[in-house]
Amino acid sequence: GAGVSQSPRYKVAKRGQDVALRCDPISGHVSLFWYQQALGQGPEFLTYFQNEAQLDKSGLPSDRFFAERPEGSVSTLKIQRTQQEDSAVYLCASSFGQSDTQYFGPGTRLTVL
Amino acid sequence: GENVEQHPSTLSVQEGDSAVIKCTYSDSASNYFPWYKQELGKRPQLIIDIRSNVGEKKDQRIAVTLNKTAKHFSLHITETQPEDSAVYFCAASKRTGGYNKLIFGAGTRLAVHP
Repeated sequence: GAGVSQSPRYKVAKRGQDVALRCDPISGHVSLFWYQQALGQGPEFLTYFQNEAQLDKSGLPSDRFFAERPEGSVSTLKIQRTQQEDSAVYLCASSFGQSDTQYFGPGTRLTVL
Repeated sequence: GENVEQHPSTLSVQEGDSAVIKCTYSDSASNYFPWYKQELGKRPQLIIDIRSNVGEKKDQRIAVTLNKTAKHFSLHITETQPEDSAVYFCAASKRTGGYNKLIFGAGTRLAVHP
């Protein structure tokens, strides 16, 4: 079946602009994770949803970062007033249960100029 | 919090040789250890994982070993092929609130030369 999809695949923003990144998890997957992957580094946890509930947002680097999953399926990661240090690949992952295998999307590469 | 260190950062082998990548973790409560393969510009893909109640797991040319006492785990790839060339990430997690919050190593870039 279809895997995790993300859009857009690439996003270029001017410093100070707001961006919204979308994640479509595998159908029926309860758990959804967002990770940030800087160039040459491993993914770093940002936030976790169980259905529509955001149970962990401990990895969000600042209050400029906001995530939602209002109907328990599609999720959006929003970054307000983007800064150059926000440039990274943003990965979404979903899993059927809470502690099952996480399947990753292709990521959105964000470049802030 | 959990910290995962991964070595080496780069690894170059000849086709047919074995490759070993090692990771150490800091939180003794961690109980799930997946390995992901990421080709350039592609998504991370799970290749093998191990839970803390098992010391070793094998899947064809890939094996993972876990030493809970020493808090380290390793990925072993035998009979390497050029298509094994990629960046490999280890991760560790514990079920916090019922879910796996993965903490990743910095990655190992494996190059397999024909």
